[in-house]
Amino acid sequence: DTGVSQNPRHKITKRGQNVTFRCDPISEHNRLYWYRQTLGQGPEFLTYFQNEAQLEKSRLLSDRFSAERPKGSFSTLEIQRTEQGDSAMYLCASSLVGVEKLFFGSGTQLSVL
Amino acid sequence: AQKVTQAQTEISVVEKEDVTLDCVYETRDTTYYLFWYKQPPSGELVFLIRRNSFDEQNEISGRYSWNFQKSTSSFNFTITASQVVDSAVYFCALSDENTGNQFYFGTGTSLTVIP
Repeated sequence: DTGVSQNPRHKITKRGQNVTFRCDPISEHNRLYWYRQTLGQGPEFLTYFQNEAQLEKSRLLSDRFSAERPKGSFSTLEIQRTEQGDSAMYLCASSLVGVEKLFFGSGTQLSVL
Repeated sequence: AQKVTQAQTEISVVEKEDVTLDCVYETRDTTYYLFWYKQPPSGELVFLIRRNSFDEQNEISGRYSWNFQKSTSSFNFTITASQVVDSAVYFCALSDENTGNQFYFGTGTSLTVIP
């Protein structure tokens, strides 16, 4: 069990640029989640996958955000035309179906200038 | 609607003191799960405990204990004989049938243990 891995740890970008983050879940976990956390707040749900299927998306997720999990293993989260309000920590978590317990990665800290 | 309230934003205690972190939740479901996570300065959320709604037994794990009371919709977390390594932000979270597989987190309580 190597834990949930996220890359990069930090990303600084200019407003209007596109960014992509990667998450590698715990290998046997079939569920993968993306959360966003801003300073002083708890993690906020964005979307989740069961295997390669994206089963839920938050209404807060704008059209500029897209996530994929093509082979049911790693996932990517892309933000197009970044805005300053996108600055946050983006957290990935994984779990096993039937086990209500999330394992989190260390997150990707995005700063949009 | 689902909601988790952690009214204590910041708490400071002196090492070896006991401290209780409060969590109040709202849900219409009869089946739900409650969680506590710890987020140290390194940023990674660490799972501490999961409780389902049908199990109201309090739990103790070393210096940690949890008090689940359905009558008051509370799931409080006590650290006994606090240590400097306990300094972190602690989050309470809820998952129920209505939320599907979303976890709703509170805003967290930042605990500082002063040596």
